[in-house]
Amino acid sequence: KAGVTQTPRYLIKTRGQQVTLSCSPISGHRSVSWYQQTPGQGLQFLFEYFSETQRNKGNFPGRFSGRQFSNSRSEMNVSTLELGDSALYLCASSLAGNYGYTFGSGTRLTVV
Amino acid sequence: GESVGLHLPTLSVQEGDNSIINCAYSNSASDYFIWYKQESGKGPQFIIDIRSNMDKRQGQRVTVLLNKTVKHLSLQIAATQPGDSAVYFCAENTGNQFYFGTGTSLTVIP
Repeated sequence: KAGVTQTPRYLIKTRGQQVTLSCSPISGHRSVSWYQQTPGQGLQFLFEYFSETQRNKGNFPGRFSGRQFSNSRSEMNVSTLELGDSALYLCASSLAGNYGYTFGSGTRLTVV
Repeated sequence: GESVGLHLPTLSVQEGDNSIINCAYSNSASDYFIWYKQESGKGPQFIIDIRSNMDKRQGQRVTVLLNKTVKHLSLQIAATQPGDSAVYFCAENTGNQFYFGTGTSLTVIP
């Protein structure tokens, strides 16, 4: 079966712009989580969506937001981009959350 | 907040030797742990998991040991192969969300 698909794979944006990243979970998975990965920081939890509702949220500013659609696909948006937002953004899906995470390959965002 | 730490940021082993990657966690309420492997340019890949009611779990060439007394987790890879070269993360879950360490980079020397 298809894995978790993230688009685009690479993105270059300018400071102050906004960006939208997309994640298509494994078919049947209803939980989608987003993580930011930077060198030396590991994976930092952004938020989790389950059945179109944000169930958990990490400690990121309000510039980071997300949503989930009825087909479980999810998007995350970052507004007013800062240089420090440059990172690999990973999406992970699971049937119901908490167990059995499957990650996508990520979107590499570079802010210049 | 949570802290999940890895004892060594880098580890080099000879091909064929066994590898041991360690991880410390801080929340005694964490009840589920996962080891992930991340190769360059890819997302983390699930290796093995263990619940807090277990001390040991074995998979194919991998074993995870959990010592709840000292809040320590380890991943053992038997007969390490070049394809095992990657960054390895441990993650803990308290039922609310996962917390990941920064990772240990494993290099297998042919």
